Amino acid sequence: QKEVEQNSGPLSVPEGAIASLNCTYSDRGSQSFFWYRQYSGKSPELIMSIYSNGDKEDGRFTAQLNKASQYVSLLIRDSQPSDSATYLCAVKLDGNQFYFGTGTSLTVIP
Amino acid sequence: EPEVTQTPSHQVTQMGQEVILRCVPISNHLYFYWYRQILGQKVEFLVSFYNNEISEKSEIFDDQFSVERPDGSNFTLKIRSTKLEDSAMYFCASSTGVYSNQPQHFGDGTRLSIL
Repeated sequence: QKEVEQNSGPLSVPEGAIASLNCTYSDRGSQSFFWYRQYSGKSPELIMSIYSNGDKEDGRFTAQLNKASQYVSLLIRDSQPSDSATYLCAVKLDGNQFYFGTGTSLTVIP
Repeated sequence: EPEVTQTPSHQVTQMGQEVILRCVPISNHLYFYWYRQILGQKVEFLVSFYNNEISEKSEIFDDQFSVERPDGSNFTLKIRSTKLEDSAMYFCASSTGVYSNQPQHFGDGTRLSIL
């Protein structure tokens, strides 16, 4: 069973703070990892991808991957109210399938 | 920026009827996908399509479902004899390839409501 687990939240942070989102996965064969943002009623929008251990930074977003511990995280610095959304962790094995977590709901309080 | 487009945005169908959901992937993309998301639940993979054939499918994608690329631009999902539990948001996605640096880009989805 290929599981991707996320804390469903809701996670609330004040504007300007750091939001930390976590994801664990069960299949050690997982090769690449993605964070998508999904606004209510909208499609998933790609935020970050990562496939090597360590950190990857893109603007206010940093993805962290630890394959030994089977977790991937997303940090959002200087959180803005527009960051309020559900964040989906997706994991890809050696095929084309993405396995999604249930998502973490983030609310940034002005 | 090029995007995946899906039509219709909302489809209402009587149970037992057939429905076709349409997608126009990004023009230089070669891999196409359908996902569904039942309200309040996770996004679930249905099928991937490459070189005019299915490359992977999940347990959800049974004989009730079929996909087709009828021309050079459209990619369709057909659901035969729809059931109440088929009500969901259906997302089409496309990618240039299957490597880690070739992520899937999603369309805005079609909300399917089965009555």
